[in-house]
Amino acid sequence: AQTVTQSQPEMSVQEAETVTLSCTYDTSENNYYLFWYKQPPSRQMILVIRQEAYKQQNATENRFSVNFQKAAKSFSLKISDSQLGDTAMYFCAFMKHAGNNRKLIWGLGTSLAVNP
Amino acid sequence: GAGVSQSPRYKVAKRGQDVALRCDPISGHVSLFWYQQALGQGPEFLTYFQNEAQLDKSGLPSDRFFAERPEGSVSTLKIQRTQQEDSAVYLCASSSDRRSYEQYFGPGTRLTVT
Repeated sequence: AQTVTQSQPEMSVQEAETVTLSCTYDTSENNYYLFWYKQPPSRQMILVIRQEAYKQQNATENRFSVNFQKAAKSFSLKISDSQLGDTAMYFCAFMKHAGNNRKLIWGLGTSLAVNP
Repeated sequence: GAGVSQSPRYKVAKRGQDVALRCDPISGHVSLFWYQQALGQGPEFLTYFQNEAQLDKSGLPSDRFFAERPEGSVSTLKIQRTQQEDSAVYLCASSSDRRSYEQYFGPGTRLTVT
């Protein structure tokens, strides 16, 4: 079975600074997807960034980038130039690549506060 | 088009009552997922539909939980004889056939059982 671990329940960062959120996972699969989702206080879950395990290059989306270490089963999220609107819960999630059932396996989340 | 919608947004039920939660996925999305998110926790998978077929219901916590998607579009999650431990936010997500790895989430239904 797959598991996802986020060891930082809460983090804070000053506006305009950089913060890194950690995620580790366990799986015997070779091909899979990893995701970071953001859940603001309104509770709508929004996809931040996606990484495909067979790609060595780390994914980036504007101010968001990941550090994907497949051998270490580590998948951290870096947020650069933090903005007040980045305040939210951040969830790391795993999805198998094969098969029809693309259910997501989630970590417990990290609550990020961006301070002015 | 419109995103995933869920109704009601909030539901308060007395213990023992039955509730029905509705999910309207994005038009044309083949796959539909239900997740349960307890307070302060990450979501947990409940069940998955591909069109009208329920292909995985391994996450449903008990036989009091039942989900259907009879015409392959709207889905209803029904909870019979609600218990306090059922209190959670119930999230619905849908994905297309072409980009099956990308799930779009609704705003959730917050269920409180008193």
